[in-house]
Amino acid sequence: GEDVEQSLFLSVREGDSSVINCTYTDSSSTYLYWYKQEPGAGLQLLTYIFSNMDMKQDQRLTVLLNKKDKHLSLRIADTQTGDSAIYFCAESGGSQGNLIFGKGTKLSVKP
Amino acid sequence: DADVTQTPRNRITKTGKRIMLECSQTKGHDRMYWYRQDPGLGLRLIYYSFDVKDINKGEISDGYSVSRQAQAKFSLSLESAIPNQTALYFCATSDLWGSEAFFGQGTRLTVV
Repeated sequence: GEDVEQSLFLSVREGDSSVINCTYTDSSSTYLYWYKQEPGAGLQLLTYIFSNMDMKQDQRLTVLLNKKDKHLSLRIADTQTGDSAIYFCAESGGSQGNLIFGKGTKLSVKP
Repeated sequence: DADVTQTPRNRITKTGKRIMLECSQTKGHDRMYWYRQDPGLGLRLIYYSFDVKDINKGEISDGYSVSRQAQAKFSLSLESAIPNQTALYFCATSDLWGSEAFFGQGTRLTVV
């Protein structure tokens, strides 16, 4: 079945770049998403990439997609303490029309 | 106002009690979903509905039921709550198949 894998934890220092990685199994996914969940809050769409793209940049965020390897990454430049959150990778390959989520990567930013 | 509103935000209930979680959306979308989030497990789909007359089970529907009262309203019920249903529950809505999902703020449910 469909599956999305990501590492559970990442710790970086303020000002450094963060790279969160994700692998997925459904090659038919049309869109791939990154959601951000701050403590006590719901999921907020951070960015997304269409499956025929290799890269998407949006201010401090860069999404890289390697469709051959089914690998997606999110790079946050100049990471700030306010970026501390759980980041979920998701693909649009759900057979029930739903998104398939990874387990989430908890990003901790140290001053 | 939020696009997706869940009530209550927090709830503590006793084992065996029936409880309903409510969700309403202002996006005008047909598709609505209920997910459950557990630490280290990500989000798992409980039920989904593609329109008022269409309701389907997700991967973990046992012990839950839903009602789609209107296009904008989708409620989740626990018929007889048990402690392992303690979790964070999210309602979501989307427009097209596999498109961006808009989430509510979540309901933290504790079953004691």
